[in-house]
Amino acid sequence: QVHLRESGPLMVKPSETLSLTCNVSGFSISSDYFWGWIRQPPGQGLEWIGSISHSGSTYYKPSLKGRVSVSLDTSKNQFSLKVTFVTAADTAVYYCASGDGYRTPYYFEHWGQGTLVTVSS
Amino acid sequence: DIQMTQFPSTLSASVGDRVTITCRATHTINTWLAWYQQKPGKAPKLLIYKASTLESGVPLRFSGSGSGTEFTLTISSLQPDDFATYYCQQYDDGLNFGPGTKVEIK
Repeated sequence: QVHLRESGPLMVKPSETLSLTCNVSGFSISSDYFWGWIRQPPGQGLEWIGSISHSGSTYYKPSLKGRVSVSLDTSKNQFSLKVTFVTAADTAVYYCASGDGYRTPYYFEHWGQGTLVTVSS
Repeated sequence: DIQMTQFPSTLSASVGDRVTITCRATHTINTWLAWYQQKPGKAPKLLIYKASTLESGVPLRFSGSGSGTEFTLTISSLQPDDFATYYCQQYDDGLNFGPGTKVEIK
């Protein structure tokens, strides 16, 4: 069974970079699947941010492209998210997740518990 | 960019009711659609993918249908554990979630 767990700072200052890591256990991230990040502002719906394939191909939400990046660290079996130049609008619960796909990511079968990141000075 | 809408946004129902949630896409997405259930403070849970395929372990009272631009999630007999928010998600072109439908106790 795949287990995912997010870690990283809970508070980030405006204009700085938000960095989160997803630690994966029970499965090698370089073997298969797509690995992604989804966020949910307080009281609002879900927003896909970006995904990375097990081979390192990346896919991003068009409106966030240029400000976000997702990367793999196969030696630690983890993947990461960076969001640059954050504003209050980036305050959200951030989830890491994994799922199926073929050339592009599809849906998410396994999810982390989520971590609330607040952007505030 | 494919946008998703869901209705109703809130649904009041009783245990035992048959419940139907509708999801629409602005462009055809064939059957590249998933449904999730989310409870407060918890991560979403995948229920259905490819519009009608039930994820392993999901109760048979959940079913999905549709293709093209209109899809439905049906709960045949609502159970106490089913009160939650439901999201659809397209994966035909990028990934986009619908705004969600909250199923609350009547």
